[in-house]
Amino acid sequence: QKEVEQNSGPLSVPEGAIASLNCTYSDRVSQSFFWYRQYSGKSPELIMSIYSNGDKEDGRFTAQLNKASQYVSLLIRDSQPSDSATYLCAVILLGGGADGLTFGKGTHLIIQP
Amino acid sequence: KAGVTQTPRYLIKTRGQQVTLSCSPISGHRSVSWYQQTPGQGLQFLFEYFSETQRNKGNFPGRFSGRQFSNSRSEMNVSTLELGDSALYLCASSLDMTNTQYFGPGTRLTVL
Repeated sequence: QKEVEQNSGPLSVPEGAIASLNCTYSDRVSQSFFWYRQYSGKSPELIMSIYSNGDKEDGRFTAQLNKASQYVSLLIRDSQPSDSATYLCAVILLGGGADGLTFGKGTHLIIQP
Repeated sequence: KAGVTQTPRYLIKTRGQQVTLSCSPISGHRSVSWYQQTPGQGLQFLFEYFSETQRNKGNFPGRFSGRQFSNSRSEMNVSTLELGDSALYLCASSLDMTNTQYFGPGTRLTVL
């Protein structure tokens, strides 16, 4: 089982709708959870971080964390064509292997005008 | 505050050569991590340096090495290049490993 798993997509969402991106992670001790956005040919840029169970909102973005289910998600409200990118889930995993920020392979999101 | 910088941005090498990539972190950040990104494998962790010490290492062969200087700048070296080393190499800096990491623009390495 991969340590951080995401559906690779592509996930196609109409403009103005809610995009829902999901991520599951292994049972190594997990501290911090991040969502990054990466445009083609560019480096990842941070969207949000979340450290405790529940929801965290920032503008059109909401991150949700459920440690019991080992699940973290990102909701994008009022999706815009500029949101079309690859979204990377990243988890800091400790113990049992190389400690550090472990990435999923990303979900390719397409917002259709 | 200036972001993470990486040099060079693009590099073309041939098999068997070696290469050194450089990363300057955000001022005040002492942790520097290196990643390799390829279409097939995604973003893979290479190693992390903090205060000139390698604290963590990913599952890469010994041909991949790095170091960090007293000013937190870091270099990564790849010896005896192979075709499969063609990738985007990303550097990220943070206050510490468990904090948010900010990425540089990357170095695109092509091995011919």
